[in-house]
Amino acid sequence: DAKTTQPPSMDCAEGRAANLPCNHSTISGNEYVYWYRQIHSQGPQYIIHGLKNNETNEMASLIITEDRKSSTLILPHATLRDTAVYYCIVRAQNAGNMLTFGGGTRLMVKP
Amino acid sequence: EAGVAQSPRYKIIEKRQSVAFWCNPISGHATLYWYQQILGQGPKLLIQFQNNGVVDDSQLPKDRFSAERLKGVDSTLKIQPAKLEDSAVYLCASSLQQGPYEQYFGPGTRLTVT
Repeated sequence: DAKTTQPPSMDCAEGRAANLPCNHSTISGNEYVYWYRQIHSQGPQYIIHGLKNNETNEMASLIITEDRKSSTLILPHATLRDTAVYYCIVRAQNAGNMLTFGGGTRLMVKP
Repeated sequence: EAGVAQSPRYKIIEKRQSVAFWCNPISGHATLYWYQQILGQGPKLLIQFQNNGVVDDSQLPKDRFSAERLKGVDSTLKIQPAKLEDSAVYLCASSLQQGPYEQYFGPGTRLTVT
């Protein structure tokens, strides 16, 4: 699976949009971009995934650049409960179901 | 629906002792995973089961770690003997099948080896 690069930490004001970047410049055509998050003392939680098109669900939006070399996870109105480590993972659909986690981005939402 | 259950939540043992962790996946989920998460790092896959068969155990330290899923439902992960570097959170996850299905994680078991 392609490697990803994320900033180690970010801050965001409560109520504002949190934009979390991820670089995956070596991504190949059959690899999806997945986002999980891990709130302190809990297991990781699935957020969203996509291949080429932008995706939106009740939790977040995923914007993938046209060349697919980077993506941004957007939490439109961050709350204190969104404070967590956010993992961007690139995974091929034919690679079983293995998730390879990197270091992630520690997002701190501040009042 | 009920989530992935794990027990115990916390365990403290001395090095060279043995320990076992239990996981009950979401009902109907055929695929089960065990991950190890060392403090400050992302989770690392140890083993993946499809029903009661092992799909991938390439990162499992087989000299001391073992795992089983005898009836294709619950699973246990055992460490014998434990080393100091095994101190970590052990996470169990399940998914409906292999392939593009999201994984649901349990709360984990925090192991401290002294």
